[in-house]
Amino acid sequence: GNSVTQMEGPVTLSEEAFLTINCTYTATGYPSLFWYVQYPGEGLQLLLKATKADDKGSNKGFEATYRKETTSFHLEKGSVQVSDSAVYFCALSSEVKAAGNKLTFGGGTRVLVKP
Amino acid sequence: ETGVTQTPRHLVMGMTNKKSLKCEQHLGHNAMYWYKQSAKKPLELMFVYNFKEQTENNSVPSRFSPECPNSSHLFLHLHTLQPEDSALYLCASSPSGSTDTQYFGPGTRLTVL
Repeated sequence: GNSVTQMEGPVTLSEEAFLTINCTYTATGYPSLFWYVQYPGEGLQLLLKATKADDKGSNKGFEATYRKETTSFHLEKGSVQVSDSAVYFCALSSEVKAAGNKLTFGGGTRVLVKP
Repeated sequence: ETGVTQTPRHLVMGMTNKKSLKCEQHLGHNAMYWYKQSAKKPLELMFVYNFKEQTENNSVPSRFSPECPNSSHLFLHLHTLQPEDSALYLCASSPSGSTDTQYFGPGTRLTVL
């Protein structure tokens, strides 16, 4: 079956530091890959996505590249801010029987950015 | 900004109670989802509805009963729950395709005493 593995947190870093969160996956076929972010007390928000190999998703200074050869989708940001403190989830999608999609999530990585 | 709302935001119930969680989406989507988020466990998909039809039941116990009267509303009826069912229950919606983004509500924090 499908699975997503991401590094365990918490990750604590200083403002303006470089952030990397590793994510690897196992899937049949050609899934789409997503990064979602969850701020305290809120639901998940899409951060970025990539739908095919070598695609790069980017948003709010975050980037991730869909690497089929290494089955990875690592999240990076060059200079983090305190407001980036949140839990980050890597996910992949596979098609449900009729339509819609089924997201398989990693365990989440808590990131804490200190001023 | 989210177009998916969930009520109530917090719920405390006893094991013999019956309660319902409500989700409403204002995005014109055709697919809706229930997820369970427990501490220290990955987010678990519970149910998927597409055009009001249930297309996925991820081996969820029968004490959780979903209802989707139309594409904009999704309910989760709860009865005789166990303390281990305490969690954050998240609702999401998407247009319907396999690569579509899912949009999440803020969740209902459920505590079962």
